[in-house]
Amino acid sequence: RKEVEQDPGPFNVPEGATVAFNCTYSNSASQSFFWYRQDCRKEPKLLMSVYSSGNEDGRFTAQLNRASQYISLLIRDSKLSDSATYLCVVIQGAQKLVFGQGTRLTINP
Amino acid sequence: EAGVVQSPRYKIIEKKQPVAFWCNPISGHNTLYWYLQNLGQGPELLIRYENEEAVDDSQLPKDRFSAERLKGVDSTLKIQPAELGDSAVYLCASGKGGTDTQYFGPGTRLTVL
Repeated sequence: RKEVEQDPGPFNVPEGATVAFNCTYSNSASQSFFWYRQDCRKEPKLLMSVYSSGNEDGRFTAQLNRASQYISLLIRDSKLSDSATYLCVVIQGAQKLVFGQGTRLTINP
Repeated sequence: EAGVVQSPRYKIIEKKQPVAFWCNPISGHNTLYWYLQNLGQGPELLIRYENEEAVDDSQLPKDRFSAERLKGVDSTLKIQPAELGDSAVYLCASGKGGTDTQYFGPGTRLTVL
């Protein structure tokens, strides 16, 4: 079983729709969680951190469920510019970052 | 503020040839990472440096890969000899350590023929 698992997609949704991704992790001792965004042929960039209490940044909401060992990302009122690959990142012991495979999202006009 | 700089951006070599990638992290970032990213996959850590010390190189294939960060700033990743399966994007990232945000460079896209 992979340490961090994501549905690779692709997800194709119409502009304005709400879309959600989940990411599961296997190590219950994982400490910190992030979502990164990666555009085609570009480097990954931090989108947002994920806290136990959940956090929101504009149209984006991230949540953590430690009991079930998953994190989620919700995008409301999706824009064409949201088209990208979304990478789930989990920090395990000794500051080891583990990336998921990424979920590819395409927003259609 | 300048970001993480990597060179070259693209490299095409024949198998069995050596290749080297260079990374200059963001000023003040003592932690430097090298990742490998295959198409359709997330980045996989190869090595992590804290200043000039390699603190995690467990995923580095040491028979052909080597890395150095002699003065705790710039870093070089080398492959010798390259194999067809090494074709990938090699990403460098830097940060202040711990759970601090990592900032990625644009990567070096390697093609081994």
